[in-house]
Amino acid sequence: DTGVSQDPRHKITKRGQNVTFRCDPISEHNRLYWYRQTLGQGPEFLTYFQNEAQLEKSRLLSDRFSAERPKGSFSTLEIQRTEQGDSAMYLCAIYNQDRENTEAFFGQGTRLTVV
Amino acid sequence: SQQGEEDPQALSIQEGENATMNCSYKTSINNLQWYRQNSGRGLVHLILIRSNEREKHSGRLRVTLDTSKKSSSLLITASRAADTASYFCAPNTGTYKYIFGTGTRLKVLA
Repeated sequence: DTGVSQDPRHKITKRGQNVTFRCDPISEHNRLYWYRQTLGQGPEFLTYFQNEAQLEKSRLLSDRFSAERPKGSFSTLEIQRTEQGDSAMYLCAIYNQDRENTEAFFGQGTRLTVV
Repeated sequence: SQQGEEDPQALSIQEGENATMNCSYKTSINNLQWYRQNSGRGLVHLILIRSNEREKHSGRLRVTLDTSKKSSSLLITASRAADTASYFCAPNTGTYKYIFGTGTRLKVLA
């Protein structure tokens, strides 16, 4: 148990549909990150939140992607009009900025398959 | 950049042997972390080494850090089939916005 729950674990969707993923940190962590990982590659940074504020977005995050963290706890990542290239593992990670030199914890990820 | 690059890309060893993988990076860091990823799963944190530390142990894991060479190594001793996974290093400048390399794919043969 890494302290990060992601839902769903797997999602198969038809091209053009919208999908939403959720990340739930079990305990309080002020920073929350989203990554995307394709087969054979390392995770790629997408965006991160400091509490409820979205502080940075990668160029990978096209306008079809939107992320929210409305109350500074759980976060959602929505992909509109999915494309086959969106097929990947989407990972959430959390970190407590108030505790220096500690680790970031990753969830088990949501595997998206766009058919 | 804060990117970590792991080497080798793939490593295949017999059970009981030691496995060594290396990480290189380009910037000054606060700490460096190693993660393991089993196929199709999330990343599991293994060990964190601070910039003022040179070596750290955790069970069968030994991590070294050479900030002058901007490199780190992860040694897994007496490897087991269950150690088969991809291993990633994450050099951290303080933002915790990791830029991962492609990892080292370790295969431990029974």
